[in-house]
Amino acid sequence: DAGITQSPRHKVTETGTPVTLRCHQTENHRYMYWYRQDPGHGLRLIHYSYGVKDTDKGEVSDGYSVSRSKTEDFLLTLESATSSQTSVYFCAISATGGYGYTFGSGTRLTVV
Amino acid sequence: DAKTTQPNSMESNEEEPVHLPCNHSTISGTDYIHWYRQLPSQGPEYVIHGLTSNVNNRMASLAIAEDRKSSTLILHRATLRDAAVYYCIYSGGSNYKLSFGKGTLLTVNP
Repeated sequence: DAGITQSPRHKVTETGTPVTLRCHQTENHRYMYWYRQDPGHGLRLIHYSYGVKDTDKGEVSDGYSVSRSKTEDFLLTLESATSSQTSVYFCAISATGGYGYTFGSGTRLTVV
Repeated sequence: DAKTTQPNSMESNEEEPVHLPCNHSTISGTDYIHWYRQLPSQGPEYVIHGLTSNVNNRMASLAIAEDRKSSTLILHRATLRDAAVYYCIYSGGSNYKLSFGKGTLLTVNP
């Protein structure tokens, strides 16, 4: 397929618990991104990575951290989940960073 | 943030051409214009991108105004499978990240 997988696909968690979402790619692309999508807001960038151990914040990074210890994996962690973080989370990869993003199928996270 | 203006929604009939407009009046000379679309319950997918000249690929055509302050995505013959949210984006000076707005919801009628 497209060489990008997200796990889990669905998760329900309780307020205050830590949650980690995983994005895995087999394309060896340099750039990886985490977006969240909410009704009325479209897609918003949370964090992105431009190489192993190189990450930067997006427009809605508060409450989220990321790690990239190897090219193929980009992890998104919610240190203490809140109800406002209930959303659909998409991972994307790009060889160049400038265009041709490939998106994963998404993770639907519900914080109760 | 790089801001674009798109209609919230548009309708088309199957097998007719569709012209999706986008305004990007603050675009700089080096910003590429990108279009993505998102089918229901899926992640977005890349459609096309361009800088100054009109661009064509198997999915669509991109017509860019001479002053680059607007562009139009053209689907030559809409199918039911083209019903999606279409996002017009430009990078706003960053070569490494794209910011998506709310897009245009395209409905295709049989």
